Amino acid sequence: GNSVTQMEGPVTLSEEAFLTINCTYTATGYPSLFWYVQYPGEGLQLLLKATKADDKGSNKGFEATYRKETTSFHLEKGSVQVSDSAVYFCALSDWAGNQFYFGTGTSLTVIP
Amino acid sequence: EAGVTQFPSHSVIEKGQTVTLRCDPISGHDNLYWYRRVMGKEIKFLLHFVKESKQDESGMPNNRFLAERTGGTYSTLKVQPAELEDSGVYFCASSPTRDRIYYGYTFGSGTRLTVV
Repeated sequence: GNSVTQMEGPVTLSEEAFLTINCTYTATGYPSLFWYVQYPGEGLQLLLKATKADDKGSNKGFEATYRKETTSFHLEKGSVQVSDSAVYFCALSDWAGNQFYFGTGTSLTVIP
Repeated sequence: EAGVTQFPSHSVIEKGQTVTLRCDPISGHDNLYWYRRVMGKEIKFLLHFVKESKQDESGMPNNRFLAERTGGTYSTLKVQPAELEDSGVYFCASSPTRDRIYYGYTFGSGTRLTVV
């Protein structure tokens, strides 16, 4: 079946620190991979995505590379800001996009 | 364009009562989904509408949950009677039919349901 295992939080970093949030997956077929972010008081927003192996998704300084050999999609950012404080969810979908499978979410707090 | 709207944003009800959550998708999006996050765990799929038809309701936990989508527009999710374990955040999302993977889903802000 399909599942996502995500690094547990909470994570607290100082501003300008390097961020990595680990995500590994189990899937049948050829899933697409996503990172969603939920800022305080808001809904889930698509942060980035990758639809096939070796694709790199990027947005707002965040990056993640679809690694089929290690079944991973780790989220990275070189220098976090206070405004990046949020909950981050790794997710996968089947090829048709009929259903998403989410990880448990990682809460990130960035302190000045 | 307007996003996905959910209300209420918060609801506190007693065990045994009935609660109805509403979701207004983005206009023109045929696909509407309900998801739930319980107690800081993963967000789990509940069901998927295509227009007014239930495409997949495999994630609905039991028959106390009833979802409808009138005329293929807004959707409601009714919990009757509510139990303590139903507490959580209920998310609604919508998407167009074409290029769903490319565009992803648009999620609402969620309804935080607390059953006491």
